[in-house]
Parts: sequence; C-alpha cells; structure tokens
Amino acid sequence: AQSVTQPDIHITVSEGASLELRCNYSYGATPYLFWYVQSPGQGLQLLLKYFSGDTLVQGIKGFEAEFKRSQSSFNLRKPSVHWSDAAEYFCAVGAAGGSQGNLIFGKGTKLSVKP
Amino acid sequence: EAQVTQNPRYLITVTGKKLTVTCSQNMNHEYMSWYRQDPGLGLRQIYYSMNVEVTDKGDVPEGYKVSRKEKRNFPLILESPSPNQTSLYFCASSLSRGSGYTFGSGTRLTVV
Repeated sequence: AQSVTQPDIHITVSEGASLELRCNYSYGATPYLFWYVQSPGQGLQLLLKYFSGDTLVQGIKGFEAEFKRSQSSFNLRKPSVHWSDAAEYFCAVGAAGGSQGNLIFGKGTKLSVKP
Repeated sequence: EAQVTQNPRYLITVTGKKLTVTCSQNMNHEYMSWYRQDPGLGLRQIYYSMNVEVTDKGDVPEGYKVSRKEKRNFPLILESPSPNQTSLYFCASSLSRGSGYTFGSGTRLTVV
C-alpha cells in the first residue's frame, strides 16, 4: 500500500527567503504525485502534479517540485516566499495501477511567513 | 463555473440521528471521493468512486455509506453518527487518476 510522509509539521521562513517542503512516499512503482495547498478555512487547491517525463515540474503561484526516484521524494520549492504563501501544504500519492481514485495524503506541513 | 458543491457547510447534530451530506460536481468527472480532515491526522479517504455504481473503501470507511447513482452526485451518509465522526469533510472529483482532485469547500460536522 502506498504511504506519504511529510517530516516537517511546521516551518517558519522569512518573507523573500527560499522554501523547500519535504515529501517522501512509499509505493512499489512510479505513482502519481501531487502537492496541494490549503489556506485557513478553505478547501484544497492543486499546486502541481507529476507522473512521468521531466522530473522538475512547474506549478501555480511560482512553485515547483522535483521528483527523485532514488530517494522516493517529491519536494516542493519556491525561490522567494510571499506572505500570502502562509498556509498548510499537503503532498499526496495516487496509485498508477490497481485501485483508481485512491489518493493518499500526508499529514501536512504548516508554513508560517515572517515579515 | 466548474466546481464541486457540498451541502451543508456547517452541521450540528445529535448522536444517532441519520444525516446525509450532499456533493455534486458539474465537470462530468469520472472519479469522486470523500475525505475527512482532523488536526494532526491530515486528510484520510473515506470512500471513492470510479464511476456510476462503482465505489470502494478508503482508509476510514467505518460508520459511513456512499452511493453513486448519477455521475454528478456522490452523497455521504452517516446512518448513526457518533461524536468521533466530528470532523471537517471534503468531497472531491477528478477527470482521471492523474489529473488530481478538485475539492469542495468542506462541511464542518459536529456530533454531540
């Protein structure tokens, strides 16, 4: 069964600093990988996704993520954080085979941004 | 506007009183899913559906029922709610496995 680990529960960065949120997954084959963002009191918004092709994927709001098969990781990055990026971020893995629609989420990383 | 609509947004009920949370999508998506979100636990999948009349259990299906009689609707049914089902619930839909889910705005349920 697939699983997702986000090692950092809470991260604080200064506005303008770079950001990297970690995500490690466990799955037997190459899964579908996603990053979502949830602002306070809101639903989840898809930032980016990966299945195959270029291992560096670009998303919305200036985010990017890099798939590293050897490390089973899919870390999210942003070169310069804005105060509006403060939110909770979720990594998710979906099975490329087997049960379709079964999308597993990590427990999330809460991002705080210092002025 | 393409969206997933859940109702109600907020609900307070008593233990044992059957309730239904509705979910509807207007994007002709094949896949639909229900999640619950609890502090420190992230999102956990309750049930999902790959098409009309095709559903499967997620990680936490106990105490919940679903049905998919029409493509656009995927209601979540709590036959006998208990306080441990107090949570924030999200419905989501997706065109395909790899396209990612579009989420509704959530339903905050309190069972007393």
